[in-house]
Amino acid sequence: EPEVTQTPSHQVTQMGQEVILRCVPISNHLYFYWYRQILGQKVEFLVSFYNNEISEKSEIFDDQFSVERPDGSNFTLKIRSTKLEDSAMYFCASSPQGISYNSPLHFGNGTRLTVT
Amino acid sequence: DAKTTQPNSMESNEEEPVHLPCNHSTISGTDYIHWYRQLPSQGPEYVIHGLTSNVNNRMASLAIAEDRKSSTLILHRATLRDAAVYYCILRVTTGANSKLTFGKGITLSVRP
Repeated sequence: EPEVTQTPSHQVTQMGQEVILRCVPISNHLYFYWYRQILGQKVEFLVSFYNNEISEKSEIFDDQFSVERPDGSNFTLKIRSTKLEDSAMYFCASSPQGISYNSPLHFGNGTRLTVT
Repeated sequence: DAKTTQPNSMESNEEEPVHLPCNHSTISGTDYIHWYRQLPSQGPEYVIHGLTSNVNNRMASLAIAEDRKSSTLILHRATLRDAAVYYCILRVTTGANSKLTFGKGITLSVRP
């Protein structure tokens, strides 16, 4: 069964550094998402992306964050200048053409980002 | 966004059925009821969804109250692998794209 893959599984970075989290969504999916989960807390929506542009973003997704689909397969989340509070699990998700409400989201197993 | 209410936790015995309740009294007519689960150290995983009628798939069944203000996820024979956090989510749509908003979910423990 096709799956969403995320790399790396664990990223350690120093405060103020830029990080890029990478995701390969399922190949025929058109809608892409990033979520994050701070340890012990809820899974939080960050951003959705469709047709090469952001569809919706949350308050968390400020100017330090950006997303890109640089080619036909990868979907990246960049954090320009990491802060300690950015430490979390970051989940990428994708869904097929989502005109209907029924398309489930397929999540990857996440990248654990640790900012020191 | 319409909210859901779930108990914090539930315990079950292996190979017995499990009924996970969810209240959503402010649900609107076009909100779909989705269930996801999150196994330890993994990303959320889709389980099932429905609108009005009860639904069955290979993972679970979803029983939806006639007034749609509550629903129950049914695992017919719990296994140890079913120990996870289960999220009941109302899928709110904004145009053609719709996000999922996760709550705290219910933590299911399965005893051998």
